[in-house]
Amino acid sequence: EVQLAESGGGLIQPGGSLKLSCAASGFSVTKNYMTWVRQAPGKGPEWVSFFYSGGSTYYADSVRGRFFISRDSFNNTLHLQMNRLRVEDTATYYCARAIPSPNAAFDIWGQGTLVTVSA
Amino acid sequence: DIQMTQSPSSLSASVGDRVTITCRASQGVTSYVNWYQQKPGKAPELLIYTTSILQTGVPSRFSGSGSGTDFTLTISSLQPEDFATYYCQQSYNVPLTFGGGTRVEIK
Repeated sequence: EVQLAESGGGLIQPGGSLKLSCAASGFSVTKNYMTWVRQAPGKGPEWVSFFYSGGSTYYADSVRGRFFISRDSFNNTLHLQMNRLRVEDTATYYCARAIPSPNAAFDIWGQGTLVTVSA
Repeated sequence: DIQMTQSPSSLSASVGDRVTITCRASQGVTSYVNWYQQKPGKAPELLIYTTSILQTGVPSRFSGSGSGTDFTLTISSLQPEDFATYYCQQSYNVPLTFGGGTRVEIK
């Protein structure tokens, strides 16, 4: 079965770091476009980062220089290293797979992991 | 950045109604618009991609149209399981951006 499962969320103080993981099954994270999308409580989704299968990475301006996307081919896992966290980073973080076409539409999503940044 | 403006932000409708949601991009995005449905406490689910292609398993009462800057999601006959929030998303350019959402409620 094709699925994604995030982990690593939790309560963290402003300025702290957290690493999210997204374990994939049924497909390869290195052969697909992969993304992180977050959703603050009561708000719409916000794209965070994208990993093209060829290796290029992209980030939203709000996280560039603080967040880093990576992938582990051995464990078939996508990661998001989040540094210098801010209160406004509080959200449910989803990983998702993009369909294999030039259009980055996200067809498989994880269940999400909640990150709360608070003192 | 490309802004995606959805309207209405919410609507009330009855089972069997035809529902139309619109999404306007701040600049041309060719056909690279996707639509998602989200229910409370769940991840978004892909309904339609590249303006009008129905994702596998999505009922045929959902359809999409448009090009350039104006796009539409239509539900031909609203069903009880369709009460949810719908989001458009452009994938023409980075940063990928979502619309503000349309909440479809029961009248």
